[in-house]
Amino acid sequence: ETGVTQSPTHLIKTRGQQVTLRCSSQSGHNTVSWYQQALGQGPQFIFQYYREEENGRGNFPPRFSGLQFPNYSSELNVNALELDDSALYLCASSSQSVANEKLFFGSGTQLSVL
Amino acid sequence: TQLLEQSPQFLSIQEGENLTVYCNSSSVFSSLQWYRQEPGEGPVLLVTVVTGGEVKKLKRLTFQFGDARKDSSLHITAAQPGDTGLYLCAGPSWVFNNDMRFGAGTRLTVKP
Repeated sequence: ETGVTQSPTHLIKTRGQQVTLRCSSQSGHNTVSWYQQALGQGPQFIFQYYREEENGRGNFPPRFSGLQFPNYSSELNVNALELDDSALYLCASSSQSVANEKLFFGSGTQLSVL
Repeated sequence: TQLLEQSPQFLSIQEGENLTVYCNSSSVFSSLQWYRQEPGEGPVLLVTVVTGGEVKKLKRLTFQFGDARKDSSLHITAAQPGDTGLYLCAGPSWVFNNDMRFGAGTRLTVKP
């Protein structure tokens, strides 16, 4: 049990729709990172939020966007869904935005785009 | 592009056997991490190795970081069914060190 909770656990959408995924970070953590894990692959970094600001972004298009709230919880929004967006979306919280900081992952949201 | 290649992709062994899985790159990493991920869960950090040549032990698990910091290995002694899972290695990107680059993982099954 990492203390990181994600909702919903599963979601089915159709191509072109929009989706919002939510993450509550572990108590005391001010940094949230989002990852996409396609079937049979390792997680791929989408972006990180530190103290409510985007603090680094991976190779994902602008239709992937996020927010972090004053309580450090976070949302991942994906617009104009494509079939290839089907994946497990993981959020990870940490107490600092520094290298080698221990990441605590949630159980993920499994998104299926039909 | 800092790709991490893990081998083997799949491994199925009997309880009590020993095994080694590998994580290799053509790029130098400042550090490497190993995670275990079970079905329906997120990855859980096992260890971080920072110094070239470093060896860390965690009960029956031994982790080694290559001298050139381009590769790492995980050795499990006397595997147990509870070791079953997806083992992932990850290292920080040169561009943004909070961007962890993950390999595709080794899926280990330990049969009783």
